Formats: sequence, C-alpha cells, structure tokens
Amino acid sequence: GAGVSQSPSNKVTEKGKDVELRCDPISGHTALYWYRQSLGQGLEFLIYFQGNSAPDKSGLPSDRFSAERTGGSVSTLTIQRTQQEDSAVYLCASSLVFVQALKTSSYEQYFGPGTRLTVT
Amino acid sequence: LAKTTQPISMDSYEGQEVNITCSHNNIATNDYITWYQQFPSQGPRFIIQGYKTKVTNEVASLFIPADRKSSTLSLPRVSLSDTAVYYCLVGDPNNAGNMLTFGGGTRLMVKP
Repeated sequence: GAGVSQSPSNKVTEKGKDVELRCDPISGHTALYWYRQSLGQGLEFLIYFQGNSAPDKSGLPSDRFSAERTGGSVSTLTIQRTQQEDSAVYLCASSLVFVQALKTSSYEQYFGPGTRLTVT
Repeated sequence: LAKTTQPISMDSYEGQEVNITCSHNNIATNDYITWYQQFPSQGPRFIIQGYKTKVTNEVASLFIPADRKSSTLSLPRVSLSDTAVYYCLVGDPNNAGNMLTFGGGTRLMVKP
C-alpha cells in the first residue's frame, strides 16, 4: 500500500510569504506528526494529531506556524510571513495507536519524504 | 519524557559488528525503546523496538539490561550502506504524544 506522502517536495518562497505544506498519512493511521529538520541537525518535533485533535501545540516555534487535520486524514502545516530561519526539511509521519499496533507487535512512525522549504 | 543520550558519531569498517549504546536513566515503567535509521535526504525509518531483554529482527538486535536504563543497538556485519544517523527514542506507545523526542542521533560512518 501507499506510504506517507508529502507535497510539495520542494518549495522556494520569498521572505514574508505564506506557505502551506501537505501531508497524506497512511490510510487508517490515527496519529500524525510534524517535525522539522535543519541541515545536518536532528529532528525537531512540532505538533502531533490524535485523530483531528492536536492536544499539545507548544512545540510550534512561533504563532506564525499552525496546523490542522480534517477527516482524520490529510494534514496541512501553514507558515505565515516566512522567515529565512524557517528554511528546513519538514517531515510528516503517521502511526497506528498502540492497541492497533499490537497486531503487528510493534509501534512505529512511518515517515514521508519531506518537504524542503527554502526561504530567500 | 525520558531523555536519551547517544554518542554523536562512530566509525566502523565493512564486515564489523557495530554496537551503539543509548542511555535513558529516567525511563518509565510503560516506556518502550525504539531505534530509527535515517539516510541523507530521507525521513527516518523504523529499525527495532523493545521493552526488555533482547529483541532480534532481520536487520538488528536490541539489548536491554534488567534495569532498562540503557539499551544497545547491534548491527551485525555492517556494510557501506549502513552509513546513516541512528536515533534512540524512549516513550509510552499508548500515548501518541509520548514518542516524539528524537535527539541528535549517532552518525555512523562505515568505511571500506
């Protein structure tokens, strides 16, 4: 079956513009995660969804960042008034919740290929 | 969330066994230990997960001592294609928001 997909794969935008990043999780995965990874760095957690709900938004770097998920499926991460420090690869992942994962004897996040955002 | 500590980097040679140890002194009773692998320009990929003792799959083994305050990922007979960053995560998989802290990872370089 299809894995996690993200679009666009690359985005170049001018400072001050808004951008919208999209994530299509694996069908049936109720949990969805957004991370950011700067060049040569580890992953920085941004936000996660359990269904359509995001219990904790404290990982978002500033109020210019927002995310939503509708229908328990597709999620969008929006960055308003982009700044050069927003340049990074934005990764999305999805997973079953553990009780669902018991059938496969493991719990894991499946990552998409990422969106490389460059703010000029 | 349990904090993890890993070596920043390791070097090895083809055909050798590589062991990467992760420290997680404040691991909680419900926490599991999970390892991911990340190649350049790709998202991380699940390698192995365990709770206690030893877990083995077709890719790696995971050794967890009785006190669970550390874990060791063992990669048998590495090849050049195993050059990647390896991340250790600790968290309660019953809570989707509890498996989020990837840390800096260990950058493994396999040389010919």
